[in-house]
Amino acid sequence: ELKVEQNPLFLSMQEGKNYTIYCNYSTTSDRLYWYRQDPGKSLESLFVLLSNGAVKQEGRLMASLDTKARLSTLHITAAVHDLSATYFCAVGYFGNEKLTFGTGTRLTIIP
Amino acid sequence: EAGVAQSPRYKIIEKRQSVAFWCNPISGHATLYWYQQILGQGPKLLIQFQNNGVVDDSQLPKDRFSAERLKGVDSTLKIQPAKLEDSAVYLCASSLQGQGDGYTFGSGTRLTVV
Repeated sequence: ELKVEQNPLFLSMQEGKNYTIYCNYSTTSDRLYWYRQDPGKSLESLFVLLSNGAVKQEGRLMASLDTKARLSTLHITAAVHDLSATYFCAVGYFGNEKLTFGTGTRLTIIP
Repeated sequence: EAGVAQSPRYKIIEKRQSVAFWCNPISGHATLYWYQQILGQGPKLLIQFQNNGVVDDSQLPKDRFSAERLKGVDSTLKIQPAKLEDSAVYLCASSLQGQGDGYTFGSGTRLTVV
C-alpha cells in the first residue's frame, strides 16, 4: 500500500526566512504533485513533477523530485505572509490519475 | 473555462439521515473523482469514474455510500445512513484522461453530521 508522508506537519516561520517541506513516498511513482489549500477553500495545483531531477519554480516556491530516494521537496524562499496555507504533496502514476495525498503541512508565516 | 461545480456548499444533517452531493465537471473531462477530506487530513479517494464507468471504488464504504455518473457528465454521491464519522469535506475533481497535469478540484461540500 502506497504511503505518503510529509514533514513537518506544522511549520511556523518568520517572514523573510527560508524553509523546506519534505514529502516521502513508499513505492515507485512517476509523478508528484504539490497543492495549496487555504482555510475553507479547495485545493489549488502548484506543481507537477514528472521525472527524476525535475525542478520547478514559481515565485518564492521551488519544488524538486528525486525518484530514486522517493523524495520531493518544496522550498520556500524569503517567506511572506501570503504563503500561509496548508501544502499537500500527492503521488500518482501515468495512465491512472488516482492520487494518494500526504498528510499536509500547515504553514504559518509570522510577520 | 468554467471550473468544477459542486453543490451544496454546506450541509448539516442528523446521524442516520441521508444526504446527496452533486458535481458537474469541466466540459470534456472524461475522468471524475470524489474525495473525502476529514479535518486535518489529506484528501482520500472514494471513487473514480471514466466516462460513466467506475474505475476504482476500493475505498468507498459501499454499505452506506453510493455514487453514479449516468450520462458520463455530472455525478452524484449519496450517503445513507450517515454516521458521525462521515463529517468531512467532499471534494469532486475532474481531469482529461492521462494528461498527467493533475486535476481541477471543485470548491467542495462541507458535511456536518450531528
